[in-house]
Amino acid sequence: LAKTTQPISMDSYEGQEVNITCSHNNIATNDYITWYQQFPSQGPRFIIQGYKTKVTNEVASLFIPADRKSSTLSLPRVSLSDTAVYYCLSPGKSTFGDGTTLTVKP
Amino acid sequence: GAVVSQHPSRVICKSGTSVKIECRSLDFQATTMFWYRQFPKQSLMLMATSNEGSKATYEQGVEKDKFLINHASLTLSTLTVTSAHPEDSSFYICSARPRAYGYTFGSGTRLTVV
Repeated sequence: LAKTTQPISMDSYEGQEVNITCSHNNIATNDYITWYQQFPSQGPRFIIQGYKTKVTNEVASLFIPADRKSSTLSLPRVSLSDTAVYYCLSPGKSTFGDGTTLTVKP
Repeated sequence: GAVVSQHPSRVICKSGTSVKIECRSLDFQATTMFWYRQFPKQSLMLMATSNEGSKATYEQGVEKDKFLINHASLTLSTLTVTSAHPEDSSFYICSARPRAYGYTFGSGTRLTVV
């Protein structure tokens, strides 16, 4: 199964906006893109989901271009507690990529 | 919202014994559940797909006889690690799809085999 591709790690500082991009070239026509957050020794937690264009909720925004081959998770004004691993996942494919380890520094 | 409950959260067992991990969908029915294994600082690796009322589908390289999966009802799937060895020590996570899109994950089970 084709996996998604993300940067392995990113560093940021408190209060900054963080954008994490995921490539999913083989996304199926009816697949949504979902992003998850995982803290150590916990199961992944849902952040946001979208099909195309832009979706926003209380914690993040998700941008998906017209070709849907990539998506960008945007975290506004991150805090230390946002330090975690972030995964993008296409529901049609239940396999995970390597995820992005985000480290937020004071 | 949809909740997946996983128990136990952590277990320590002796080498050679078997351990059962339960995964329950609390407020929805799940005909399919997924079992993952995660080693330290690595991503989740899909082990098998559990199907209610039928045999599980295992990913390549996963031993069916070692990781027994039972999905006897629409709300419960179990993973039994048989004859556990230290190399089976890992973090095991289950998930289900309460809607046509999106997965809900359990809180995970830390298995330590001594």
